[in-house]
Amino acid sequence: EVQLVESGGGLTQPGGSLRLSCAASGFTVSSYYMTWVRRAPGKGLEWVSVIYVDGNTVYADSVKGRFAISRDNSKNTVYLQMTSLRAEDTATYYCARTENSDLYGAFDIWGRGTLVTVSS
Amino acid sequence: DIVMTQSPDSLAVSLGETATINCKSSRSVLYSSNNKNYLAWYQQKPGQPPKLLIHWASTRESGVPDRFSGSGSGTDFTLTISSLQAEDVAVYYCQQYYTTPPATFGQGTKVEIK
Repeated sequence: EVQLVESGGGLTQPGGSLRLSCAASGFTVSSYYMTWVRRAPGKGLEWVSVIYVDGNTVYADSVKGRFAISRDNSKNTVYLQMTSLRAEDTATYYCARTENSDLYGAFDIWGRGTLVTVSS
Repeated sequence: DIVMTQSPDSLAVSLGETATINCKSSRSVLYSSNNKNYLAWYQQKPGQPPKLLIHWASTRESGVPDRFSGSGSGTDFTLTISSLQAEDVAVYYCQQYYTTPPATFGQGTKVEIK
C-alpha cells in the first residue's frame, strides 16, 4: 500500500527545534518531488517546502533560513528540521507526494499529519 | 506567487441539493502548449488529511464519486457537488501548480448541511 506516515511533532518553546519525519511505503521517495504542507489552527493549507528528485530544495519565505528539508534514501524517509520556532509555526504538518514523479502535479498522497505546538 | 481566491468562505446546503464552490487565480493557470489547466481540488474532513479529488481542473481521481465535478479554464474554476451527502461535509481547497514552487492554495470553503 502506498502511504506516508509523519512523526516527530510535539510541544516546544519559542526558539526551540524539532525534526519531523515522513516515512514512505509502497513507493520510493527519491523518485518523487516530496513536499511539506502545514495547516495552522483555524487557517487554511500553506505550502512549506519541497525536495526535488535531484535533491534541490525550496522553502516558503516564512520558513526560509529556519527550516531544512532533507531525504534519506536508505530509509525511504523525508525530514523537516525546524529551528528557531515561533508561535506562528504552530500547525499540523503534512507530508505529500507530487503525482507522476513530476514537479508540476497535484499532491496525490498525503500523510495523516503531525502536530507541532510552539508555546511557552 | 499566484494568489488563489475561493468563494464563498462557507455554505450550507440541504441534503440532495447542489453545492457550488468558485476559485479564481490571479493569473492564468492554463498552459497553452498542452491545453491543460494546472488546478486541483482537495477535500479535508475534520481530523483527516487533505484528499485529492480532482486534478487538471476536471479529471476526477480514481474512486472519487461522480457527484464531484470540476470545470473552468484560465483563471476561473468551479467545484460542483451534486446531490450533497452527509459525508461531504468538509473544507474544500483549490490549488494551482502552474507555477511551483510554491504551489498555492485557496483559503478554503467550508461545506455544511443546512
